[in-house]
Amino acid sequence: KQEVTQIPAALSVPEGENLVLNCSFTDSAIYNLQWFRQDPGKGLTSLLLIQSSQREQTSGRLNASLDKSSGRSTLYIAASQPGDSATYLCAVEWRSQGNLIFGKGTKLSVKP
Amino acid sequence: GAVVSQHPSRVICKSGTSVKIECRSLDFQATTMFWYRQFPKQSLMLMATSNEGSKATYEQGVEKDKFLINHASLTLSTLTVTSAHPEDSSFYICSARGESSYTSPLHFGNGTRLTVT
Repeated sequence: KQEVTQIPAALSVPEGENLVLNCSFTDSAIYNLQWFRQDPGKGLTSLLLIQSSQREQTSGRLNASLDKSSGRSTLYIAASQPGDSATYLCAVEWRSQGNLIFGKGTKLSVKP
Repeated sequence: GAVVSQHPSRVICKSGTSVKIECRSLDFQATTMFWYRQFPKQSLMLMATSNEGSKATYEQGVEKDKFLINHASLTLSTLTVTSAHPEDSSFYICSARGESSYTSPLHFGNGTRLTVT
């Protein structure tokens, strides 16, 4: 069964800290892996998309890595800010038609 | 960037009534749109794949007669929750891809919070 797991479920850090969110998935035959941000009661904002042939992607203070063989991805957030507080979702696409399977997310709280 | 608009953002309806949710791709054509459902503190679960001009493909366990999907144009898909019940209360989100390629990201609407009383 194809599943996505995110650890930890919740994380609280002081402002300025660097942090890592973890995502693991079964079945390494993925098409791509995507990280999203979701604010309370809101939709999803796409942060980074890593294709199966890539090992990492960077956008600003965010860096996502992908290790297909071990079924893992990490989202690294540098110099965290209170505005980074949100739920971060990891999603994997195993079929080419866009059927994303999501993890339950990591709720991040950055304290000023 | 690609924008997906979803309407309404929030709706409250009485049990037994039907509710229609719209999902529009504003600056691109989407031959395929996806409808997800999210329960509190749970993952997003794919409900169905909406294909322009053809019948939607429903995931296992999703009642097609209850969740009617229409994708009549390349920019609009609708989800109608028929004869809504309190257990249908949830957060519904649509998504679309600007290109029919897994190398481009899926873009999501802002979701619709449905409350059935």
